Amino acid sequence: EVQLVESGGGLVQPGRSLRLSCAASGFNLVDYAMHWVRQAPGKGLEWVSGISWNSHTISYADSVKGRFTISRDNAKNSLYLQMNSLRAEDTGFYYCAKDTYAGIGLPGDSWGQGTLVTVSS
Amino acid sequence: QSVLTQPPSASGTPGQRVTISCSGSNSNIGSTTVTWYQHLPGTAPKLLVYSNNQRPSGVPDRFSGSKSGTSASLAISGLQSEDEADYYCAAWDDSLTHVVFGGGTKLTVL
Repeated sequence: EVQLVESGGGLVQPGRSLRLSCAASGFNLVDYAMHWVRQAPGKGLEWVSGISWNSHTISYADSVKGRFTISRDNAKNSLYLQMNSLRAEDTGFYYCAKDTYAGIGLPGDSWGQGTLVTVSS
Repeated sequence: QSVLTQPPSASGTPGQRVTISCSGSNSNIGSTTVTWYQHLPGTAPKLLVYSNNQRPSGVPDRFSGSKSGTSASLAISGLQSEDEADYYCAAWDDSLTHVVFGGGTKLTVL
């Protein structure tokens, strides 16, 4: 059974950093691109970042470019999101999602339950 | 303002057919495939349709997707109370070089 479990969320002050992790099981992480998608309170889904199977292709939403860094460790079956210079508008649930292909496409049929990030003083 | 435009709300009665639209441009829907997701806030989003009109295994055939030009649609037939959720379209945007989502449509089953 495919499972994606996010962790690392919490309450953080504006301007500080947080690192999210996503533990993958039930499939070979190396075979798929991965994504981070978030949802702010009362807002819709917003794609944040995606990374190809070999980390050679990485893409970010304009709203997080220069502040967030996506990475993966296929040997550890893990996906990460390093979030720096956090802002109040970064508050929300963060979901990791498996792509359908190895190259960056769209989030596919497997998503985690999400981890909540709250940016507030 | 989302790159893909969806109506904020839709509604129908049990058994009815409802259609949700998703409007984009030549740099996204017009040049690539569309995916649809169903989401209840606080839970994991669920893939409903990929590659414009393909359903993953386990998704009822009551859900169907279509695409024409720079617009796409999700149709839900035989509406059921458990279909009440938020629905999102998504596509890759060649100009922005990243994934774009629609703003979401809240479906209410009356």
